[in-house]
Amino acid sequence: AQRVTQPEKLLSVFKGAPVELKCNYSYSGSPELFWYVQYSRQRLQLLLRHISRESIKGFTADLNKGETSFHLKKPFAQEEDSAMYYCALTTYNNNDMRFGAGTRLTVKP
Amino acid sequence: NAGVTQTPKFQVLKTGQSMTLQCAQDMNHEYMSWYRQDPGMGLRLIHYSVGAGITDQGEVPNGYNVSRSTTEDFPLRLLSAAPSQTSVYFCASAGGGNTGELFFGEGSRLTVL
Repeated sequence: AQRVTQPEKLLSVFKGAPVELKCNYSYSGSPELFWYVQYSRQRLQLLLRHISRESIKGFTADLNKGETSFHLKKPFAQEEDSAMYYCALTTYNNNDMRFGAGTRLTVKP
Repeated sequence: NAGVTQTPKFQVLKTGQSMTLQCAQDMNHEYMSWYRQDPGMGLRLIHYSVGAGITDQGEVPNGYNVSRSTTEDFPLRLLSAAPSQTSVYFCASAGGGNTGELFFGEGSRLTVL
């Protein structure tokens, strides 16, 4: 079965510093990977997906199949980036989305 | 367009009681699912449905029942609540195609005493 691991429960950086939220996965096939974000008092929402290869709110994530990783990066963190971030994996038929345990990012002024 | 609506937002139960968490979506999504969110464990899939009349188990289905009689509704039933079911429950839906974007409800916080 597929599994998603986010090794850091908490991550704290200063405003303007680079940030990287780690995500590793285990799946024998071709995964589809996503980052979801939950801001304070808001619903969980999609941040970005690897198939789109896009940058959202300055965040990017590259799928590294060799290292089975999908780390989320931003060169200059902002205070409004403080939130809970979840890495998620699904398979081709999209029926079973598995989430990691989440990383709480705090960006200090 | 309300998106995904969950009720109730908060509920306290005694061990052994039953209840139903309601979930409705107005986006005509075929796929709907229920997750529970526990500290340190993230979101775990309980049950999901790919269309009316079709349901399947997720990662942690024990103690929960679901049905999908309409496209819009996907209720989650706890037949005999246990303290281990204290959690925050999220309903999510997704449209057709392989986009993978789940739309979530606001969550329902359940406490079982």
